Amino acid sequence: DQQVKQNSPSLSVQEGRISILNCDYTNSMFDYFLWYKKYPAEGPTFLISISSIKDKNEDGRFTVFLNKSAKHLSLHIVPSQPGDSAVYFCAASDHAGNMLTFGGGTRLMVKP
Amino acid sequence: DGGITQSPKYLFRKEGQNVTLSCEQNLNHDAMYWYRQDPGQGLRLIYYSQIVNDFQKGDIAEGYSVSREKKESFPLTVTSAQKNPTAFYLCASRAIQSNQPQHFGDGTRLSIL
Repeated sequence: DQQVKQNSPSLSVQEGRISILNCDYTNSMFDYFLWYKKYPAEGPTFLISISSIKDKNEDGRFTVFLNKSAKHLSLHIVPSQPGDSAVYFCAASDHAGNMLTFGGGTRLMVKP
Repeated sequence: DGGITQSPKYLFRKEGQNVTLSCEQNLNHDAMYWYRQDPGQGLRLIYYSQIVNDFQKGDIAEGYSVSREKKESFPLTVTSAQKNPTAFYLCASRAIQSNQPQHFGDGTRLSIL
């Protein structure tokens, strides 16, 4: 039973537009959420995180939104760039950063 | 340059043989982790260690073993008991005290012939 789900396996967006990647979770004990970006044959790279005491965290072109009542988080990338094309994983933890549970990933393709 | 080094990048072994994957970090991180990724899936936690000489099982520890004799090193052995060992293995580390996220190495792709 997947505790963290990314229901869209892929997403295609035009360069300059907004990319919205979604993630749902079921475990109410999760209180820290992260997004990682991954290129093929490389390790994931940390992008942005949010703790459950917040509902929004912004870092440059990347913003993560958390809706605790819906157990839903989303990553917004604006404007999207071709270099953003990668697989994005959301992850959740019941302690800040330890014992991460990952979603299945969403492949983002940003077209020039 | 500080970072996490996984070696080798590609590894081939015959069925029934044990194989050990290396993970070294020079970030002075206390915690280290091993994950497995299968095609089209997310990462699943195999083992983790928060301190030298101590480690805990993750979600899919069966068929794997680890050791943590040094802070910098956390090798993973894939034993012959692991039913489907072909996968992409990722090592990560984290500074617990500063509440930082996990940082990952570039992975080892293991193929069983």
